[in-house]
Amino acid sequence: GAVVSQHPSRVICKSGTSVKIECRSLDFQATTMFWYRQFPKQSLMLMATSNEGSKATYEQGVEKDKFLINHASLTLSTLTVTSAHPEDSSFYICSAPPPSGVYEQFFGPGTRLTVL
Amino acid sequence: ELKVEQNPLFLSMQEGKNYTIYCNYSTTSDRLYWYRQDPGKSLESLFVLLSNGAVKQEGRLMASLDTKARLSTLHITAAVHDLSATYFCAVPSGTYKYIFGTGTRLKVLA
Repeated sequence: GAVVSQHPSRVICKSGTSVKIECRSLDFQATTMFWYRQFPKQSLMLMATSNEGSKATYEQGVEKDKFLINHASLTLSTLTVTSAHPEDSSFYICSAPPPSGVYEQFFGPGTRLTVL
Repeated sequence: ELKVEQNPLFLSMQEGKNYTIYCNYSTTSDRLYWYRQDPGKSLESLFVLLSNGAVKQEGRLMASLDTKARLSTLHITAAVHDLSATYFCAVPSGTYKYIFGTGTRLKVLA
């Protein structure tokens, strides 16, 4: 089946630094990808929709200047957490819908971000 | 605004017992998804329910969808320890944008 990868799987950074997380669709093209955030023991919350070749669409309450999304190719979307702070520590999961006709999307393995 | 609620939020059950997890959603949808999440891991797809009355079974888990009642159930039969995990339902808002339920943390006791 379709596979979505993320890199890195874990990252620890100091407060105030920026961190980039990559999401790749490995065997299909994805014009749209989604970024979710999950705090410990909570559900997944959609942060933004990443659109290839155009601006991302952010959910209400998500700071677009803090969470920069770039979807530069049909197989890669990146999420950059700028000036990270401890409250940004979370599990970030991306997803991508597969080629048409399949009514589900595929989730990446997630990236655990810890900001010290 | 689409809201998706699950109950119970926590479930501790003995091995061999049966139980049902409920997923209610607030607006019309003819699709619903169930996922399993183990600690520190991403989501594992369990069931894709695509129409009213859909019922799917895999091993000790069975999922159903009633779109008129806006309700899906995940039934566990004769639970075993390996089923301990967090279970999420998800409802699409638009084509692929998912709204996740609150999650049900299941612990099966030996």
